[in-house]
Amino acid sequence: EDKVVQSPLSLVVHEGDTVTLNCSYEVTNFRSLLWYKQEKKAPTFLFMLTSSGIEKKSGRLSSILDKKELFSILNITATQTGDSAVYLCAVGHFGNEKLTFGTGTRLTIIP
Amino acid sequence: NAGVTQTPKFQVLKTGQSMTLQCAQDMNHNSMYWYRQDPGMGLRLIYYSASEGTTDKGEVPNGYNVSRLNKREFSLRLESAAPSQTSVYFCASSEVRGRWPNIQYFGAGTRLSVL
Repeated sequence: EDKVVQSPLSLVVHEGDTVTLNCSYEVTNFRSLLWYKQEKKAPTFLFMLTSSGIEKKSGRLSSILDKKELFSILNITATQTGDSAVYLCAVGHFGNEKLTFGTGTRLTIIP
Repeated sequence: NAGVTQTPKFQVLKTGQSMTLQCAQDMNHNSMYWYRQDPGMGLRLIYYSASEGTTDKGEVPNGYNVSRLNKREFSLRLESAAPSQTSVYFCASSEVRGRWPNIQYFGAGTRLSVL
């Protein structure tokens, strides 16, 4: 059975701190790993990673994939209150169009 | 820039009532999906449609039916609602044959309560 596990489940930090969110996976036919940010409503796409060791970066957010150890991390530097959200990790598969989601990490930034 | 549109946004049903959740996308995507999201459970796939005219079961299909009406629209029907179906429902779509085939784009969700 495909499994995506995120840690920690929740995290509370002060504005300006740096955080690292973790995602490990055990899936068949791995194709890609995706990160989403979910505030009040719809998950919004952040990154997709397919190659090991190549960092994707967007402003203060960055992510990297390790296909040998089967995990990814999402880093957020100089956190702001607008970063408060649930961050979802998902894995895409070759051979079908489905994503397998983790349960998410709830990040709370205290001003 | 509508993207994925879901209706209604909120709904309260009594046990045994039926209803249909509507979803439409304007991105010309081939694949569409219905998820439910419950506290501590993440997003779980109910049904998906890889292309117009096809539908397949996901992880939690029991108690639901779907219709892929055309390329744009994918509806989810609860024939006889149960309290266990109280959840937030999300519709999503993706361009499977594109350069980034696994990226799914989500609607704003429908919050459903079954009493």
